[in-house]
Amino acid sequence: GNSVTQMEGPVTLSEEAFLTINCTYTATGYPSLFWYVQYPGEGLQLLLKATKADDKGSNKGFEATYRKETTSFHLEKGSVQVSDSAVYFCALSRSKNQGGKLIFGQGTELSVKP
Amino acid sequence: GAGVSQSPRYKVAKRGQDVALRCDPISGHVSLFWYQQALGQGPEFLTYFQNEAQLDKSGLPSDRFFAERPEGSVSTLKIQRTQQEDSAVYLCASSQGGTTGFFGPGTRLTVL
Repeated sequence: GNSVTQMEGPVTLSEEAFLTINCTYTATGYPSLFWYVQYPGEGLQLLLKATKADDKGSNKGFEATYRKETTSFHLEKGSVQVSDSAVYFCALSRSKNQGGKLIFGQGTELSVKP
Repeated sequence: GAGVSQSPRYKVAKRGQDVALRCDPISGHVSLFWYQQALGQGPEFLTYFQNEAQLDKSGLPSDRFFAERPEGSVSTLKIQRTQQEDSAVYLCASSQGGTTGFFGPGTRLTVL
């Protein structure tokens, strides 16, 4: 079946450090891939997405590249800020309605210290 | 409103009680999704509506869970005879076909 696996957290970094959160997926066909972020006390927000192999999604300094050969969609940021502290979820969708019926990973908590 | 709203934000129920959770999607959004998020886990799909039609209810964990969207706008998720394992955050998301869904803030249900 379809599934998403993320690296376990929590991840604790100092401000301006480089961030990588690993995400791999299992799916038939060609899913769309997403990263969502959940800030403390807030709802899930779409951070970035990619809909086909080799696409790179980017937003707010975060990037992720859809790698079909390794079935991965790792999230990266060159220099994290305290305000990036949140829980990050990798997700996939097999439906044509992008973002519909999402399958999520378990989430990775990121804590950035000043 | 500007976003997806859900009410109540918090609900405490005694085991065996029935609860009803409401979702107000973004105006004009035809697609509406419900997810269940257990503590420390990612959200899990429950059910999907396109307008008033419930097209997928494969994620509903038991027949105690029921969702409706009678006029293609507001949706209600009802849980009958609540159990402790139903304690979770229930998330609603809406989208205008082909676009990525917007999530509401969720309803945190605690069953005692």
